[in-house]
Amino acid sequence: ELKVEQNPLFLSMQEGKNYTIYCNYSTTSDRLYWYRQDPGKSLESLFVLLSNGAVKQEGRLMASLDTKARLSTLHITAAVHDLSATYFCAEGTSGTYKYIFGTGTRLKVLA
Amino acid sequence: DAGITQSPRHKVTETGTPVTLRCHQTENHRYMYWYRQDPGHGLRLIHYSYGVKDTDKGEVSDGYSVSRSKTEDFLLTLESATSSQTSVYFCAISARDTRTDTQYFGPGTRLTVL
Repeated sequence: ELKVEQNPLFLSMQEGKNYTIYCNYSTTSDRLYWYRQDPGKSLESLFVLLSNGAVKQEGRLMASLDTKARLSTLHITAAVHDLSATYFCAEGTSGTYKYIFGTGTRLKVLA
Repeated sequence: DAGITQSPRHKVTETGTPVTLRCHQTENHRYMYWYRQDPGHGLRLIHYSYGVKDTDKGEVSDGYSVSRSKTEDFLLTLESATSSQTSVYFCAISARDTRTDTQYFGPGTRLTVL
């Protein structure tokens, strides 16, 4: 069964702290995507990782991809309240145009 | 926002009635998707389309059908709505054939089946 697992599912952290969200996937895909969703809103694309070792950074967020370990990470540096949201990873399955989503990590940054 | 709209944005309906949700895109992308989002499940693919009149099933396709008669429109039909189909439905397009290579999502449709 094709599966994408994220952990933790819930994360409450203090402003200024660092933390990492993990995304494990089950296929040999080399395409991994991160999205952000604010409550009641749609999903917004954050990062597209297209090869082993890819690293992308935007502000306090940095995403990386290790295709051999089938693992992607989303690292949060010096969290601020505005980062509070739900974060989803998704893999693009090889040979198809389907995407499989993780269940999401709900992040709450406390002031 | 890749020019994706969904209609209606909210709908309340009765069990057993047919319901059609519409997704419209303005940028001529080949691939379009319907997902449902439920707490604890993330997004699950219902159906997707890889061209006009070309569609395929996703992981939760039972009770749903789709049609795509024009590039810009992708319709999702609940043939006989059930309470288990109460959910938020998102349409998306794939820009995988472009440099940006990601999915763009519509604003969502909140469907309640009583």
